[in-house]
Amino acid sequence: GEDVEQSLFLSVREGDSSVINCTYTDSSSTYLYWYKQEPGAGLQLLTYIFSNMDMKQDQRLTVLLNKKDKHLSLRIADTQTGDSAIYFCAERLYSSASKIIFGSGTRLSIRP
Amino acid sequence: DSGVTQTPKHLITATGQRVTLRCSPRSGDLSVYWYQQSLDQGLQFLIQYYNGEERAKGNILERFSAQQFPDLHSELNLSSLELGDSALYFCASGKDLNTEAFFGQGTRLTVV
Repeated sequence: GEDVEQSLFLSVREGDSSVINCTYTDSSSTYLYWYKQEPGAGLQLLTYIFSNMDMKQDQRLTVLLNKKDKHLSLRIADTQTGDSAIYFCAERLYSSASKIIFGSGTRLSIRP
Repeated sequence: DSGVTQTPKHLITATGQRVTLRCSPRSGDLSVYWYQQSLDQGLQFLIQYYNGEERAKGNILERFSAQQFPDLHSELNLSSLELGDSALYFCASGKDLNTEAFFGQGTRLTVV
């Protein structure tokens, strides 16, 4: 089936690392994405990983993919107040290469 | 700025009416996706076009239709509007079928 699941909320202290988790059900996923949505704004593509990779690092962002467990995570190092947003995990399905399915989003809030 | 332009930004209309939402993809992008974001349903994939042809269909109501024109811009037509159609409608574009998708700022539709 096509299902992407994320926890709804995450609260971290400023300066700590944030880890946002996602699970997906379709083993034929080709690409997995992380998008960020700030209040009143559109979705900004943060990073993506191809399904044959285990890890991708881009400055403060680290994406880990466990294909066996169908688990994807996004780690944000040194979390700042500007990182407050909703983070969406999404998968592109091989069976329908056009379709990108989104999770419900994780709202990240930063404590001082 | 993602390079994807959506108009109008806001739209308020009455039940039973019909509206057209417009999307101009990034220069060179052949793929256009439409998504609906509502509070209770999250981000739902509606439909996708590639180079003028419908490529994938999601949870799109029969009252809704879309097309992609030869200049690659796309329109989403929503008819017989109901209160429950109030949502943010996002357009995204991508170079081809297997790359990342970049989102516009969305059109906020309010049906009263």
